[in-house]
Amino acid sequence: KAGVTQTPRYLIKTRGQQVTLSCSPISGHRSVSWYQQTPGQGLQFLFEYFSETQRNKGNFPGRFSGRQFSNSRSEMNVSTLELGDSALYLCASSLISLGYGYTFGSGTRLTVV
Amino acid sequence: GENVEQHPSTLSVQEGDSAVIKCTYSDSASNYFPWYKQELGKRPQLIIDIRSNVGEKKDQRIAVTLNKTAKHFSLHITETQPEDSAVYFCAAGGGADGLTFGKGTHLIIQP
Repeated sequence: KAGVTQTPRYLIKTRGQQVTLSCSPISGHRSVSWYQQTPGQGLQFLFEYFSETQRNKGNFPGRFSGRQFSNSRSEMNVSTLELGDSALYLCASSLISLGYGYTFGSGTRLTVV
Repeated sequence: GENVEQHPSTLSVQEGDSAVIKCTYSDSASNYFPWYKQELGKRPQLIIDIRSNVGEKKDQRIAVTLNKTAKHFSLHITETQPEDSAVYFCAAGGGADGLTFGKGTHLIIQP
């Protein structure tokens, strides 16, 4: 059974640019959640999608957005990148919503210069 | 929203000894408490979880206890081994706000 796949693994972007990250969940999982991981703040919740609908959203500015497709694959977009957006972005898939039984992907390491 | 405090931030124990990591949470509506292990450069992996209707759960050398009244839960690792060295995260949630994670504990197993 394939795990959670995140692409790309690494990204270097310039301030002001925008970026799109992709997450393919485990087959059959309908929930995809996104987290930002930094050394200082730990794991912070961005948003969750379930059956193409955003279920809830963390305390991040509107520059962070996402969507989920009918095949449960999810994308996360960050516009007008800032240096502080440099982080490891992790997605987690689960069979049901609300955080139960997350399986994390390996993450996308975003560096903003 | 939920707030999760995790202690200690770093824990060093001798191989073979036990390790205990503690977390407190603020939202009494939280009903799901997982623990994740993250090795250097790797993804977090679920190692054990507990629901609010259970006070304790064990899986081989790992156990989690939950005190709903005091709003705290703990991870216990017995007979620690070198491969237990990692960062451990607790989390609380199960409601509409998803999971809120603690800041992590860096567990170091000394040979």
